[in-house]
Amino acid sequence: NAGVTQTPKFQVLKTGQSMTLQCAQDMNHEYMSWYRQDPGMGLRLIHYSVGAGITDQGEVPNGYNVSRSTTEDFPLRLLSAAPSQTSVYFCATDRGGEQYFGPGTRLTVT
Amino acid sequence: GIQVEQSPPDLILQEGANSTLRCNFSDSVNNLQWFHQNPWGQLINLFYIPSGTKQNGRLSATTVATERYSLLYISSSQTTDSGVYFCAGGTSYGKLTFGQGTILTVHP
Repeated sequence: NAGVTQTPKFQVLKTGQSMTLQCAQDMNHEYMSWYRQDPGMGLRLIHYSVGAGITDQGEVPNGYNVSRSTTEDFPLRLLSAAPSQTSVYFCATDRGGEQYFGPGTRLTVT
Repeated sequence: GIQVEQSPPDLILQEGANSTLRCNFSDSVNNLQWFHQNPWGQLINLFYIPSGTKQNGRLSATTVATERYSLLYISSSQTTDSGVYFCAGGTSYGKLTFGQGTILTVHP
């Protein structure tokens, strides 16, 4: 039981490049979320999903896309990376009351 | 949206001391959780506590939903308790608003 896995662990992008952060879970949880954490700040919600085929925007969705074709996977796409997207990205699942976080992806945009 | 305020922002303790962390919400929430982020960045769920009191070892939490606040108690602190403690709340699952966190440092 791996829980929540995220790949890659680290990534450096140039401004304007696109990429996909991967998130997978093996706990069969309906709810999945993406957060970003900037230095000295709490986590901010980017997008979330209440089940396969259903996604919605969080607090800071601009510049990011998501899709949820299966229960297990919830990828986050950066369309055209900007230095303001330099952050640590966390994926989480929720079984209806307790959130479980992946190890995070540290992204730097130069 | 919901605003979450945590206090104190920083806390320095000697091993063995007790502490209380507080979380205030601007509006009612029915999903309230406490998390610990260790020095390696890993986030661990401590409590799901929309109301009432729960205990887990040296940690306990109390939420007074009618007054929109929650407290996290750490007793007999250890160096491994160091890190950042976050509370987060919301009105639905999967969608939490986080506070800014309390940075706890426990010295031996």
